[in-house]
Amino acid sequence: QVQLQQRGAGLLEPSETLSLTCAVYGGSFSGYYWKWIRQPPGKGLEWIGEINRSGSTNYNPSLKSRVTIAVDTSKNQFSLNLSSVTAADTAVYYCHVEDYWGQGTLVTVSS
Amino acid sequence: DIQMTQSPSSLSASVGDRVTITCRASQDISNYLAWFQQKPGKAPKSLIYAASSLRNGVPSKFSGSGSGTDFTLTISSLQPEDFATYYCQQYNTYPLTFGGGTKVEI
Repeated sequence: QVQLQQRGAGLLEPSETLSLTCAVYGGSFSGYYWKWIRQPPGKGLEWIGEINRSGSTNYNPSLKSRVTIAVDTSKNQFSLNLSSVTAADTAVYYCHVEDYWGQGTLVTVSS
Repeated sequence: DIQMTQSPSSLSASVGDRVTITCRASQDISNYLAWFQQKPGKAPKSLIYAASSLRNGVPSKFSGSGSGTDFTLTISSLQPEDFATYYCQQYNTYPLTFGGGTKVEI
């Protein structure tokens, strides 16, 4: 059974770097893009970016200057780094590929 | 960016009702449209891809249609577990963009 398991810190101070990892169990999803999506409290969904197993990436231009998505094929996982966070980056962050979603990580940015 | 506009933003319905949600793209996206269901406090669930193809395990009461700029999601007979927020997403052009959501409530 396919599972996406997210890990990472949930509380950050302004200017810090958000780091999340999504481990994919039960499938390799070669040929697909693995995505990061976020949802501010009470709001809609926003696509952050994506990567495939070859390391090819696409980013949302609104976040591109601060986002890095990387893949570790040996561990079948991918990661999200978002630098210089502010309160506007407070959201639930999800990883997603095809039918499957991670459990979500609430990241709060507060001093 | 391609703007995705969903209507209505919310609707009230009863068990057994047929419900239709509309999603309009600001430019032609062919059939590169997905639908998701989200319940409070939960991750979204993938329902439909390519405008009308059901994801594995999604019941046939859900159906999608459309191409170009106009799309619909229909729930043929609403059940209690279907009360949720529904989102469309285009994946024809980067950046991928979502509609604002339609909340289906009693």
